[in-house]
Parts: sequence; structure tokens; C-alpha cells
Amino acid sequence: DSGVTQTPKHLITATGQRVTLRCSPRSGDLSVYWYQQSLDQGLQFLIQYYNGEERAKGNILERFSAQQFPDLHSELNLSSLELGDSALYFCASSQDQGGQETQYFGPGTRLLVL
Amino acid sequence: GQNIDQPTEMTATEGAIVQINCTYQTSGFNGLFWYQQHAGEAPTFLSYNVLDGLEEKGRFSSFLSRSKGYSYLLLKELQMKDSASYLCAVRVYGQNFVFGPGTRLSVLP
Repeated sequence: DSGVTQTPKHLITATGQRVTLRCSPRSGDLSVYWYQQSLDQGLQFLIQYYNGEERAKGNILERFSAQQFPDLHSELNLSSLELGDSALYFCASSQDQGGQETQYFGPGTRLLVL
Repeated sequence: GQNIDQPTEMTATEGAIVQINCTYQTSGFNGLFWYQQHAGEAPTFLSYNVLDGLEEKGRFSSFLSRSKGYSYLLLKELQMKDSASYLCAVRVYGQNFVFGPGTRLSVLP
């Protein structure tokens, strides 16, 4: 158990819908990272927050948004869902903002868009 | 553009040593990471290199040459539980992470 929790574990929804994925980092970790892993594209970095502020942005679509709250948990919002958004979404946390410290991954949320 | 290459698959024998190579061409360099991912599970952070040289952590070592855009992960005394995918990732300027396709390692008895 990494100490990072993600909810829900599984999510099935329809195209055009909107969903919210939630992540609670390890106690004491200030950075939260979001990743998407699909079969055809491998693991992709989406976005990083550090202590409530956006720190880095990767291949995140405009239909996707995220935020980190004062209690440091984070939410990833996916809207106008398309079939291609079906993937595993991982959240990871670390103590630092630079990424040099160990990142601890949550178990992931498996999203299926029908 | 950003490009990271790794062999797709490798096979090795229990107790042996295996080296997984990673070459990268990226816009800037701010560190190289290795992750292990067992099928159906979340990735696990293995190592971080930002300076040239070898970093050793138990049975796992990671090497970096920034001038050559090259890294390798060395796994010694292979065990069956080391069968997994190994992902190489580079952090580039702007703090974005770029991941390689991953190397699927099979350890045979």
C-alpha cells in the first residue's frame, strides 16, 4: 500500500458525459501528479500540482481540468468524454515539487467510456 | 520533438543480470526516472538520475550519460518477481514528463 488513495476504482460512463476522479496523497506529500495510461499510448503525464498551485502541465486535453484543494487532495475532471478517453488514470504524490523525490502511485481509476 | 526509445521485450534467466537500455532525444533535460510496473498494477518508482554516472540501490542500478542521451537500468540476481514492464521517463524543461514505451521483461526459471 503506497498510502495514496484514488476513488472510484472503476467508472463506466457514456460518451459526452463528465466525471470526476479523486486522489488523496500520502500524508505530508505536497505534490500530486496525474497520469493517463492507455493500451495504445502507454503512460502519459497530464499535470502536476504543488501545494495547491499548478506546477507542470503535460499532454492534458482542454476537456480535462484538475485542481488541488487546501487539504491537498486533488480532483481530475474529464468532460465531453470520448471513447478514446477510456484508460487507467493514476495519481501519484511526492514531498517535493521538482520530482526528484520518490513518487508514490495510487492504485488507479479505470475509466470505460461506452 | 520528444522521443524516448526502449526495447519492447527482453527475456532473461533467474539469477542472471539484465541491462535495459533507454535512449532519449528531448527538448531539455531535468532528470531521468525508471519505474517498474507489474501487469494490472500501478507503477513503482525505482530510480532518479540527473548527473552522469551510476546510482546503485540494492539489486538495481541506473546509469546516465547526458552527452549521449543514454541510460540503462541494471538488474542483478534476477528473481521471478522481477518479471514486469520497466518504464524510462525524462523530465524536460517546463517540468513535463516524457515516457518511453516500456520494456516488458520476462524472467524464466
